[in-house]
Amino acid sequence: EPEVTQTPSHQVTQMGQEVILRCVPISNHLYFYWYRQILGQKVEFLVSFYNNEISEKSEIFDDQFSVERPDGSNFTLKIRSTKLEDSAMYFCASSRQTDRSEAFFGQGTRLTVV
Amino acid sequence: AQSVTQLDSQVPVFEEAPVELRCNYSSSVSVYLFWYVQYPNQGLQLLLKYLSGSTLVKGINGFEAEFNKSQTSFHLRKPSVHISDTAEYFCAVKRSREKLTFGTGTRLTIIP
Repeated sequence: EPEVTQTPSHQVTQMGQEVILRCVPISNHLYFYWYRQILGQKVEFLVSFYNNEISEKSEIFDDQFSVERPDGSNFTLKIRSTKLEDSAMYFCASSRQTDRSEAFFGQGTRLTVV
Repeated sequence: AQSVTQLDSQVPVFEEAPVELRCNYSSSVSVYLFWYVQYPNQGLQLLLKYLSGSTLVKGINGFEAEFNKSQTSFHLRKPSVHISDTAEYFCAVKRSREKLTFGTGTRLTIIP
């Protein structure tokens, strides 16, 4: 069964460092998303991406964040200068279409900023 | 904008007993509704979804949910739970072509 894969599963970084979280969406999907879940809190939307551009982003997704689909398979989330409050589980998701399809989620990357 | 409320943050249930996890949403337009499950140290897995049609939807692992438009609810039920159902359950809503909005989650604990 096809699945969304994320690497690494756990990343520890120092405050102020740049991190790149990687995702390989399901191959025939066209819509890609990043969500995050701060420990003990709900899952929050960060950004959606379609046709090589951002289609929607939340207020959390400020200038420190960027997304890219550098080739036909990877979808990355970059945080330029990490802050302590960026510590969270980051989930990548993809869907075949945006309307009636469900989103398939990866296992997540736990980012710890120290 | 839409929102989702899961009133119960934790629900303990004895094994083989029935369970209902409550979800209420607010939206001024029609929405699609989902339940996701998160097992310990794992990602989010879709349990079931309501898009249209029959208000009773069946999902994986014996779960079902009923969409009630007048009460704006989408409660999740299972007639007999198993130890393996221990997990966090998230209700989510989306409007057409928009992001998922999640509730705060309900931690289901099964007591042997």
